[in-house]
Amino acid sequence: AQKITQTQPGMFVQEKEAVTLDCTYDTSDPSYGLFWYKQPSSGEMIFLIYQGSYDQQNATEGRYSLNFQKARKSANLVISASQLGDSAMYFCAMREGSNQAGTALIFGKGTTLSVSS
Amino acid sequence: DAGITQSPRHKVTETGTPVTLRCHQTENHRYMYWYRQDPGHGLRLIHYSYGVKDTDKGEVSDGYSVSRSKTEDFLLTLESATSSQTSVYFCAIRSGHEYQETQYFGPGTRLLVL
Repeated sequence: AQKITQTQPGMFVQEKEAVTLDCTYDTSDPSYGLFWYKQPSSGEMIFLIYQGSYDQQNATEGRYSLNFQKARKSANLVISASQLGDSAMYFCAMREGSNQAGTALIFGKGTTLSVSS
Repeated sequence: DAGITQSPRHKVTETGTPVTLRCHQTENHRYMYWYRQDPGHGLRLIHYSYGVKDTDKGEVSDGYSVSRSKTEDFLLTLESATSSQTSVYFCAIRSGHEYQETQYFGPGTRLLVL
């Protein structure tokens, strides 16, 4: 079974609109972390946002927020007020176990976001 | 920018030749990782290191070896390159503290095995 599932291969949105990118995860470990990364066409992996499994509040970073629904095992990325520069591939990833253990990330297959003017 | 560089950035090689990719970091991070990215697979872990001379295998480690003789350098070696190892290779470091963790990635190396 996949540990990280991103069901939307592609999403299309107009500038200034909000968009939600879906991510569900599967783990039996009570301690884990969830990450979102952006990969523009230039190829670099850009860290966007992190949510720990024990965090009570949803993480936010500027226009990015993570809608963390623990019981549903979902960690959707919300981008408010989309910009043309948001066009990229977006990856959801999970780290199982304590963040002190340095465990590597497990990635989903990504969602391509296209923002039009 | 977490001070991570990768070299070379692009490489074309022939099947059967050895290839070494280098990851260099300047901030004394303990944990370092090598991932490969292929279409339809996202990123997958090859090997990781949790200190000098301390390494372990990841999901797709067959055909790869690693070494870490200094904190700042983590080398990935393809002993005898195959076409299936054509990929984009990313190095990453772990940064953070108890309540906030991040893995930062290097710029990537595009490897083509002919």
